[in-house]
Amino acid sequence: GAGVSQSPSNKVTEKGKDVELRCDPISGHTALYWYRQRLGQGLEFLIYFQGNSAPDKSGLPSDRFSAERTGESVSTLTIQRTQQEDSAVYLCASSFPDKETQYFGPGTRLLVL
Amino acid sequence: SQKIEQNSEALNIQEGKTATLTCNYTNYSPAYLQWYRQDPGRGPVFLLLIRENEKEKRKERLKVTFDTTLKQSLFHITASQPADSATYLCALDGGSNYQLIWGAGTKLIIKP
Repeated sequence: GAGVSQSPSNKVTEKGKDVELRCDPISGHTALYWYRQRLGQGLEFLIYFQGNSAPDKSGLPSDRFSAERTGESVSTLTIQRTQQEDSAVYLCASSFPDKETQYFGPGTRLLVL
Repeated sequence: SQKIEQNSEALNIQEGKTATLTCNYTNYSPAYLQWYRQDPGRGPVFLLLIRENEKEKRKERLKVTFDTTLKQSLFHITASQPADSATYLCALDGGSNYQLIWGAGTKLIIKP
């Protein structure tokens, strides 16, 4: 079946602009994660969605970052007033509930000029 | 705070030899540890999971060990091939039922 998909694959924006990143999880996966990966660094947890439960937003670095999820499907990560330090790869992953293995999308490469 | 260390330098191995990657952690006792492979421009792909009560796990040419006393996991690829060249990430159980703590990864290069 189809894996996790993300769009756009690449995004170049100017400092101060807003960007919206999209993630389509694997069908049936109720858990969805967003991560940020800076060059040469590990994955940094941003936010976690599980079904209709309140999301865990503890990893969001500032109030410029927000995310939404429609039911158990598509999620969008929004970064407002982008800064150059926001430049990174943003990865989305999904999994079955209470399962440790995560399935990743290809990521969105964000460059803020 | 929890800390994970993977060798930041690339590991160069001759084809056919065994590649061994290390993941060390401190200030933590994870219930399990996972290894993922990440190719350039792609998301990580799950390879193996090993639990704290398991010493070793194998999958085809892959072997993972987990030493909770040393706080270390070793990841071995036997009979390595150029196609095994990638960055390998270790990730530890973050204490909740869903969070993982990630290492920065080690780049493995298999030379033909």
